[in-house]
Amino acid sequence: EAQVTQNPRYLITVTGKKLTVTCSQNMNHEYMSWYRQDPGLGLRQIYYSMNVEVTDKGDVPEGYKVSRKEKRNFPLILESPSPNQTSLYFCATGRAYYNEQFFGPGTRLTVL
Amino acid sequence: SQQGEEDPQALSIQEGENATMNCSYKTSINNLQWYRQNSGRGLVHLILIRSNEREKHSGRLRVTLDTSKKSSSLLITASRAADTASYFCATDAGGTDSWGKLQFGAGTQVVVTP
Repeated sequence: EAQVTQNPRYLITVTGKKLTVTCSQNMNHEYMSWYRQDPGLGLRQIYYSMNVEVTDKGDVPEGYKVSRKEKRNFPLILESPSPNQTSLYFCATGRAYYNEQFFGPGTRLTVL
Repeated sequence: SQQGEEDPQALSIQEGENATMNCSYKTSINNLQWYRQNSGRGLVHLILIRSNEREKHSGRLRVTLDTSKKSSSLLITASRAADTASYFCATDAGGTDSWGKLQFGAGTQVVVTP
């Protein structure tokens, strides 16, 4: 079954404690992306990757890091989380140049 | 900054009625997509329309694109309770090297009552 998985699904943490949200896909997609969703603001793109070892900034990259060492995984790293990073995070994948994206189930992060 | 903005923000209709929502964007695009989201879940792709297309159909969905007005509309015909969801438009930033960078609007929340 084609899947985009995210872990953890829910996380409550404290300011400054480094965390990683993993994203994994089994569809052999070249493209992967991270979004955050906040009430009234829709989805905003954090980072995206067109292929292995290629990453680019989206609209709101500050405070986040990503890496793409292998095709199936695209982890989102928060080195020093702050309360304004409390949000619902989505990973998405797609085939290069096809634009249609497949979304993971989301990770709800609360930073106290 | 948000590229696409949906209108209305919320829409309440009865089963069997049609639902229309609009998306306006600011800069030229390669294509425009519509997604559906059920209550906090991941988004599901509905339809993509390219900048050289004016209308596209998929089942009960009809999408139009007017690049001169920088706007698109999504029509859901004969709505069902299962169509209750938030609907988002997404646009790229145009050009040949921007297909991966998508911008979403804030969404239209649709409630279909039996």
